[in-house]
Amino acid sequence: QSALTQPASVSGSPGQSITISCTGTSSDVGGYNYVSWYQQHPGKAPKLMISEVSNRPSGVSTRFSGSKSGNTASLTISGLQAEDEADYYCSSYTSDSRGVFGGGTKLTVL
Amino acid sequence: EVRLVESGGGLVNPGGSLRLSCAASGFTFSSYSLNWVRQAPGKGLEWVSSISGTSKYKYYADSVKGRFTISRDNTKNSLYLQMNSLRDEDTAVYYCARDSGWTGTAALMSNDYWGQGTLVTVSS
Repeated sequence: QSALTQPASVSGSPGQSITISCTGTSSDVGGYNYVSWYQQHPGKAPKLMISEVSNRPSGVSTRFSGSKSGNTASLTISGLQAEDEADYYCSSYTSDSRGVFGGGTKLTVL
Repeated sequence: EVRLVESGGGLVNPGGSLRLSCAASGFTFSSYSLNWVRQAPGKGLEWVSSISGTSKYKYYADSVKGRFTISRDNTKNSLYLQMNSLRDEDTAVYYCARDSGWTGTAALMSNDYWGQGTLVTVSS
């Protein structure tokens, strides 16, 4: 049950686009379309941004999008805004019916 | 409005026990699987356990298996986590979260609503 691999940090300027990767194995990310992405601001509970690889829950900005290729899922944020600065986590369903998170990525808006 | 409110956290000695509760409202409680997720201070999220709507299916992370027990009472709209043989490394904020889907035997790990969390500190 190893954590999914995410970059520790990414950064971008307002208006730019950034992509955060999430690499797993064929037993989790690559095997199922059950990858989710969460945004967490300091001291707050996580917020679901993307479910099932690319589904955006009601109320989430269209600037957020998700995709997957093989064992790697990606979260793209377009038109970066200051309020997007936060920690981002991916998660996946696994072949033994359990869950696994990525280590988290700190997004800095320059 | 969907609400999840955790309680029961606190300071406990290593080897001790604690029972966390999560009170839910604003949705048909028995229709959803639920998860416990924790976050150690300054660290990332860690999935801990999940339970199906009928309690038939329960799953645990290797790090807590045999020490933690997840349960729910659909008559009280409440989720629980009984934590025994606590260790220093169990120190974390514990969140309960509602899973938005179900595979037939397991939660999708897609948590659409979260509580505010309750802090568990294991220390002598």
